Amino acid sequence: DARVTQTPRHKVTEMGQEVTMRCQPILGHNTVFWYRQTMMQGLELLAYFRNRAPLDDSGMPKDRFSAEMPDATLATLKIQPSEPRDSAVYFCASGLPGQGTDTQYFGPGTRLTVL
Amino acid sequence: GNSVTQMEGPVTLSEEAFLTINCTYTATGYPSLFWYVQYPGEGLQLLLKATKADDKGSNKGFEATYRKETTSFHLEKGSVQVSDSAVYFCALGNNAGNMLTFGGGTRLMVKP
Repeated sequence: DARVTQTPRHKVTEMGQEVTMRCQPILGHNTVFWYRQTMMQGLELLAYFRNRAPLDDSGMPKDRFSAEMPDATLATLKIQPSEPRDSAVYFCASGLPGQGTDTQYFGPGTRLTVL
Repeated sequence: GNSVTQMEGPVTLSEEAFLTINCTYTATGYPSLFWYVQYPGEGLQLLLKATKADDKGSNKGFEATYRKETTSFHLEKGSVQVSDSAVYFCALGNNAGNMLTFGGGTRLMVKP
C-alpha cells in the first residue's frame, strides 16, 4: 500500500531554531505539494514541485522558508529562523497529473510547535 | 479563478441520521471534483471523486453527484456513524496538473 511518509511527526522547538521537515512521495509520483494547516487560516498551499522543479512557491514566506527536492524520493521544507506563528501542521502531498487524475495523496503531517 | 464554497460547521448529528454537506464551485472548463476526509490527528484522505458531469462518486456509504447545471457536488450519507466524525473538504481540480482548490472544510460530529 503506497503512502506518502513524513518525518518527524511531531517537532517542538524554540524560537530562532532551524526546523527541517521531510517528505517521501509515493514512488513514481512527479508532483509534490507542501501545505500548512492552522485553525485560523485552514489549509494553505505553500509550494509545489513537478519533476523536482519548483513551479509555485508564492504561498511561502520567502525570508524564512525554503523548499527543495534533492531527489525524486525526498522533498524538504526548512524554516530558519522559526517563529511561534509558524506553529501548525505541515502536510506533504504527491500526485501524478493526467487527464482526470488530479488526485493528491497526503502524508500524515508534521505537527510543529515553536515556543 | 477557481473557488469552492462549502457549508460552515460544525454539523452535529445523532448516529444513523442522514447527512448532507453542501459544496458549490466556480471554475472554468470541466473540473474534476473531490471530497477528502480528515480524521483527528491524520492527513487528508481521498473519500470520493467525480471527473465529469452527472458522474456519481461513492465510497464507504458516502455519495456525491457532479451537477454541472447547479455547479454543486453535495456529499450525502444515509446513516452516519460515530466513526464518521471528521472534517470533510470539498475540492476541485482543473485537470491541468494536479492543482486542487480546497473549500474551507466542514467539521462533522456524530453523537451516539
